[in-house]
Amino acid sequence: QKEVEQNSGPLSVPEGAIASLNCTYSDRGSQSFFWYRQYSGKSPELIMFIYSNGDKEDGRFTAQLNKASQYVSLLIRDSQPSDSATYLCAVNKATSGTYKYIFGTGTRLKVLA
Amino acid sequence: GAVVSQHPSRVICKSGTSVKIECRSLDFQATTMFWYRQFPKKSLMLMATSNEGSKATYEQGVEKDKFLINHASLTLSTLTVTSAHPEDSSFYICSAGGRGAMDSPLHFGNGTRLTVT
Repeated sequence: QKEVEQNSGPLSVPEGAIASLNCTYSDRGSQSFFWYRQYSGKSPELIMFIYSNGDKEDGRFTAQLNKASQYVSLLIRDSQPSDSATYLCAVNKATSGTYKYIFGTGTRLKVLA
Repeated sequence: GAVVSQHPSRVICKSGTSVKIECRSLDFQATTMFWYRQFPKKSLMLMATSNEGSKATYEQGVEKDKFLINHASLTLSTLTVTSAHPEDSSFYICSAGGRGAMDSPLHFGNGTRLTVT
């Protein structure tokens, strides 16, 4: 089982719709969770992070965390063609006195104009 | 937000030569930096954790003698790909800013696209 799992997609949504991106993780000790957006050929850029159960909103983005189900999601409201990218879920994991960030394989989102 | 600068953005080298990639944290001190590698349409793969003033920690399967990491100061980490071969061609990305605290995200450099001919 992968430590962080995401559906590779592509997920296609029409412009203006809500895009829902999902991520599950295997380690219950994971502390915080991050969503990054990566355009083709570019490095990832941080969208938002969450570490408490529930919802966290930032503009058109809402992150949702359910630690009991080991599930984190990202909702994008009013999706725009410019949102078309690969969305990476990452978890922060403490290990052997240090820590590391583990990434999922990403979900490719296509917003259709 | 935190700024991480990576240089060069693109490099082409001949097989057998060595290439050095620099990663700098511009507005904060980074005791830990991370080096990732990404093949086309694939996920980020953590190669190693770079620790200021000590040896890097390499992930399983990553050759430490091939990918030399030096983290000599709180703002600079370097990755040297030694005796590069075509299979080393990839997108290398450094990151910093994560302290391991819950509210501490990673910030990425712009990446280095390495092509070995």
